[in-house]
Amino acid sequence: DAGITQSPRHKVTETGTPVTLRCHQTENHRYMYWYRQDPGHGLRLIHYSYGVKDTDKGEVSDGYSVSRSKTEDFLLTLESATSSQTSVYFCAISELQGAATEAFFGQGTRLTVV
Amino acid sequence: SQQGEEDPQALSIQEGENATMNCSYKTSINNLQWYRQNSGRGLVHLILIRSNEREKHSGRLRVTLDTSKKSSSLLITASRAADTASYFCATDAGTSGSRLTFGEGTQLTVNP
Repeated sequence: DAGITQSPRHKVTETGTPVTLRCHQTENHRYMYWYRQDPGHGLRLIHYSYGVKDTDKGEVSDGYSVSRSKTEDFLLTLESATSSQTSVYFCAISELQGAATEAFFGQGTRLTVV
Repeated sequence: SQQGEEDPQALSIQEGENATMNCSYKTSINNLQWYRQNSGRGLVHLILIRSNEREKHSGRLRVTLDTSKKSSSLLITASRAADTASYFCATDAGTSGSRLTFGEGTQLTVNP
C-alpha cells in the first residue's frame, strides 16, 4: 500500500460544528485530492492540490475548505458540518509520470453528522 | 456530473466464469483507469489505458477502449471468489496530475 494515512478513520459530529480531516503521505507525491463517496454517486472530487499552498476546487467544493502547508499533509475542513456532508471521505495522491498517472487512495474516513 | 457510467450496476457470476463490465463517458479523455474497492476499503488501481490505445492486458484483466464510442470494457477472466468487489472506471481529462472523474461502479459478486 502507498504510504497514505487518513485520520480520524471514523467520526461522529453534531450539525454546525467544525470538522477537520487529515491526510498524510510519505510518498512525496505532488498531487493530493479529497473525494467523497456516497451511494448512487460514486466518488466525487471535493478539492485537490498541485503543490504546497496550491489548491483548487473540484465538483462538490461548497461547504469545504482545504489547506496544504507541507508536501505530506492535506487537510479538509468542514467549517460548519451539515447532515448532507455525512459521507465517506477518501484522500488520494498521484505523481505525474509522463502523460498518465494512477492515483493511490487512503483507507477512508467515515463521517457522520447528526 | 458523472463522467463515467458503469454497466451493469451489479453482476453475479460463478467462480471460473468471465466477468465483463462496461463504462461510458461523455467528454474527451487523456486516459481511462479502472479501480477496485473491497467493502469498507480504499480504492486500488487496476489498470490504465491511454486514449491512443485500444486494448491492454494485465494478468487476468483485459481492458478495451473505444474513443469513437466513448466507452471502455473491463474483462476479468476465470473469476475467483476473491474478485468480489466494486469496480469503478475513472476518466482523466486533464493534463495536471490525475483529476479523476468516477462512475458509480459495478458490484461484482463471484460465487464459489
